[in-house]
Amino acid sequence: DQQVKQNSPSLSVQEGRISILNCDYTNSMFDYFLWYKKYPAEGPTFLISISSIKDKNEDGRFTVFLNKSAKHLSLHIVPSQPGDSAVYFCAASTGNQFYFGTGTSLTVIP
Amino acid sequence: DAGITQSPRHKVTETGTPVTLRCHQTENHRYMYWYRQDPGHGLRLIHYSYGVKDTDKGEVSDGYSVSRSKTEDFLLTLESATSSQTSVYFCAISESVTGRLYGYTFGSGTRLTVV
Repeated sequence: DQQVKQNSPSLSVQEGRISILNCDYTNSMFDYFLWYKKYPAEGPTFLISISSIKDKNEDGRFTVFLNKSAKHLSLHIVPSQPGDSAVYFCAASTGNQFYFGTGTSLTVIP
Repeated sequence: DAGITQSPRHKVTETGTPVTLRCHQTENHRYMYWYRQDPGHGLRLIHYSYGVKDTDKGEVSDGYSVSRSKTEDFLLTLESATSSQTSVYFCAISESVTGRLYGYTFGSGTRLTVV
């Protein structure tokens, strides 16, 4: 059973606008959350993370928000750029294992 | 990433044959992981290693074995390949358990097709 869910398989956004990618989880024991970006024929690359003691973490154009009561995680990209077009995976960790969502394919339209 | 390489990049094999995938790192990281990526499932952990000769099972370990005789190499073996093991396999490395916060470094993947 999928413990981490990304319900939107794809998202299209105009260049310069905000991209919002969402992720829901079921296990309240998760204590670290990460976002990865993946280009075709490459491995995922780490983007940004947040621990469960925080509700926001920002790194340049990327901000991750955590709502523990709703068991919801989101990634905001502002402003979106064509180079951001990729598949984005959220992941949640407890102990030694990460559980990944199924990914959202983001297309940024020039 | 230059610090982690997977071989082969592509492989087609027949059902019932043994297959070994190799992950090689030059970063001297302690932790190494094998994941598989399938449509509708994201990435799922198969096995991981926290040191030479120290390994443990992940979420989907049935049908797979691993070995780590040197820090730099982590081998994934399919003893008798089945069509359900057709997938893209990713190796990942982490310096410590803080990889949970700072992320893992992934290889470029091995696309395995079992016919």
